Amino acid sequence: SQTIHQWPATLVQPVGSPLSLECTVEGTSNPNLYWYRQAAGRGLQLLFYSVGIGQISSEVPQNLSASRPQDRQFILSSKKLLLSDSGFYLCARAGIGDTEAFFGQGTRLTVV
Amino acid sequence: DAKTTQPPSMDCAEGRAANLPCNHSTISGNEYVYWYRQIHSQGPQYIIHGLKNNETNEMASLIITEDRKSSTLILPHATLRDTAVYYCIVFSGGSNYKLTFGKGTLLTVNP
Repeated sequence: SQTIHQWPATLVQPVGSPLSLECTVEGTSNPNLYWYRQAAGRGLQLLFYSVGIGQISSEVPQNLSASRPQDRQFILSSKKLLLSDSGFYLCARAGIGDTEAFFGQGTRLTVV
Repeated sequence: DAKTTQPPSMDCAEGRAANLPCNHSTISGNEYVYWYRQIHSQGPQYIIHGLKNNETNEMASLIITEDRKSSTLILPHATLRDTAVYYCIVFSGGSNYKLTFGKGTLLTVNP
């Protein structure tokens, strides 16, 4: 199975509140994991990727952080949300030898 | 820092073939061409990929030029449900790769 579990599907949070989005994956071990953000009407922006436990690469400076405490768990966090953090957040995975990347169904975050 | 260039939008009549172009002039020898599509508010869906030979599956065909600097995704008989943003991306498989998307092409299939 190449299932990706991502929750919640929608989230409304006030400015200044913390954030924690969790992504868990099934399938082959030691997958590459990715967090993307898509602002309204925009393309997919790669935020973070991880090639192993505790290994995080950040693609853009921002108000967010990521962690990978377990092989199949990838967490996106913020200590204080900004209005500009609103968007559609997607988790993706790809394993060694995978011929494609698999995406979760996404979390739509609205910061108010 | 997407390595591909696509037209921002295209229209196609229902039942006709949709031909979506993509330029990837800086593609390296070990990079594949992948196509995904994203229907509004959903995660991207894999369509097809190829290295240098043309490929066909139940969804689409992929035509890659001999110099590999461009490719075309062909949806042979477009339906209204094919209306989506189509992304062309290049990357190499293996254990360490970064998957970066460009802005894609919004394909609108008209009745």
